[in-house]
Amino acid sequence: KAGVTQTPRYLIKTRGQQVTLSCSPISGHRSVSWYQQTPGQGLQFLFEYFSETQRNKGNFPGRFSGRQFSNSRSEMNVSTLELGDSALYLCASSIGSTQGRGEKLFFGSGTQLSVL
Amino acid sequence: GESVGLHLPTLSVQEGDNSIINCAYSNSASDYFIWYKQESGKGPQFIIDIRSNMDKRQGQRVTVLLNKTVKHLSLQIAATQPGDSAVYFCAEIGANFGNEKLTFGTGTRLTIIP
Repeated sequence: KAGVTQTPRYLIKTRGQQVTLSCSPISGHRSVSWYQQTPGQGLQFLFEYFSETQRNKGNFPGRFSGRQFSNSRSEMNVSTLELGDSALYLCASSIGSTQGRGEKLFFGSGTQLSVL
Repeated sequence: GESVGLHLPTLSVQEGDNSIINCAYSNSASDYFIWYKQESGKGPQFIIDIRSNMDKRQGQRVTVLLNKTVKHLSLQIAATQPGDSAVYFCAEIGANFGNEKLTFGTGTRLTIIP
């Protein structure tokens, strides 16, 4: 069974631009979560999608948004990029339950975003 | 507030020896714990998990121990190999929370010395 796939692997953008990252979860997984990983802050939760609906959201500004498609694939978008947005963005999928309880997450390799 | 921390940020172990990575948590309501391994350039990889109704769980070459009394979690890796070099994270979550509450520690970098 294929793992979580994230594209692109690397991105270089300049301040003020916007970026879209893509994530394909493990087949059969309905929940997709996004995390930002930086050396200083570690792994920080961005948001979670389940059945095309954002179920939970972390403490990030509105410039960070996402969506999920009917096939469970997900995209996240960051608008008006800032230097501090430089990070590894990780997508994780889980089987997903209607109760939304904590589950084992399977991570992709991430998209390394550099903002210049 | 909730926090998950690690006693040591780095750990070096001779190849073939056993290693122990420790993790402390503060939320007594946490009931599910996961260990992840992250190699350079890759995302975190699930290693093993344990629920609070257990105090020990074994996998292939790995054992997780949970001490709820002192809120301490450890990951033991037996007969370490060069491929075990990575950053190891513990993560915890409470019984009534969703994935948004999965709290990750800062990680311990394990280096296997040949």
